[in-house]
Amino acid sequence: RKEVEQDPGPFNVPEGATVAFNCTYSNSASQSFFWYRQDCRKEPKLLMSVYSSGNEDGRFTAQLNRASQYISLLIRDSKLSDSATYLCVVRGDKLIFGTGTRLQVFP
Amino acid sequence: EAQVTQNPRYLITVTGKKLTVTCSQNMNHEYMSWYRQDPGLGLRQIYYSMNVEVTDKGDVPEGYKVSRKEKRNFPLILESPSPNQTSLYFCASSLSIRSVAFFGQGTRLTVV
Repeated sequence: RKEVEQDPGPFNVPEGATVAFNCTYSNSASQSFFWYRQDCRKEPKLLMSVYSSGNEDGRFTAQLNRASQYISLLIRDSKLSDSATYLCVVRGDKLIFGTGTRLQVFP
Repeated sequence: EAQVTQNPRYLITVTGKKLTVTCSQNMNHEYMSWYRQDPGLGLRQIYYSMNVEVTDKGDVPEGYKVSRKEKRNFPLILESPSPNQTSLYFCASSLSIRSVAFFGQGTRLTVV
């Protein structure tokens, strides 16, 4: 079993849609959780950290469920510019990256 | 501007010809690491460094070397590149092992 698992997608959604991604992790001792965004052939960039109580940044909401060992990312009112690959990242004694979920927003 | 800089961005080389990919950060970060990214496998850590003169193997260190003589620089060395090292490479730095990682722009390496 992979340490961090994500549905690779692609998720094809129209502009304005709400889309959610989930990510599961295997190490219950994991300490920190992040979502990174990666555009095609470019470097990953931090989108947001994920806190136990859940957190929101504009159209983006991240949640953590430690009991079930998954984190989620919700994007509301999708924009064309949201098209990218979203990487789930979990940290125990090092950073473990998921393989990413690809999102394609169409007009 | 705070950044992690890698060079070169693109490189095509032949099997066995030694090469170095440089990485430099201007944020005074202690922790630096190298990753390779391959389709379906995600980002895998090659080597990391917790501080000057302190380096350690990541998950896929075979065929690579690194050095950390100064805090800002963390070059990746391929002594004898092989085609299975064709990949997209990223350098990353963070304040500490527990902090958010910032990535360089990537180096696309092709070994023929």
